[in-house]
Amino acid sequence: DSGVTQTPKHLITATGQRVTLRCSPRSGDLSVYWYQQSLDQGLQFLIQYYNGEERAKGNILERFSAQQFPDLHSELNLSSLELGDSALYFCASSVGRIETQYFGPGTRLLVL
Amino acid sequence: SQQGEEDPQALSIQEGENATMNCSYKTSINNLQWYRQNSGRGLVHLILIRSNEREKHSGRLRVTLDTSKKSSSLLITASRAADTASYFCAATSGGGADGLTFGKGTHLIIQP
Repeated sequence: DSGVTQTPKHLITATGQRVTLRCSPRSGDLSVYWYQQSLDQGLQFLIQYYNGEERAKGNILERFSAQQFPDLHSELNLSSLELGDSALYFCASSVGRIETQYFGPGTRLLVL
Repeated sequence: SQQGEEDPQALSIQEGENATMNCSYKTSINNLQWYRQNSGRGLVHLILIRSNEREKHSGRLRVTLDTSKKSSSLLITASRAADTASYFCAATSGGGADGLTFGKGTHLIIQP
């Protein structure tokens, strides 16, 4: 158990819909990262927040957005969902920057 | 572009043997991390090696880093059936971007 929690574990929805994935980092960790894992793209970094502020963007689509709240939990919002958005979405956290990132169990999203 | 490229893509060995996986990367790095993933589940952090370190040990794991060759290796000694998993190397390259760039991974199968 990494100490990073993610909800829900599984999510099934339809194309065009919007979903919100939630992540609670390890106690004391200020950085939260979101990653997407799919069969064709592998593991890709989406976005990072550090102490409530957006820190870095990776391969995140414009239809996707995220935020980190004052209690440091984070949410990833996926809208206008397409079949190709079906993937495992991971959240990770670290104490600061350039430190070990601990991953949550992931949310498996299936878009039908 | 991928920062980490693992080699081989797949490896099958007998229980008790040693397993070696290699990782090559393209740009300069701050640190390199190795993760394990069991079939579609969360990523488990194994070890982090910093750019100024050459070798690191953790239990049955030994990681080396050669920054001149832009490569790293992960050695698992005295393998066990429970080591069957996919292994990924991931790196941060700094420049304000702390998100990890992952390779496609090495799928390791330990035959009992």
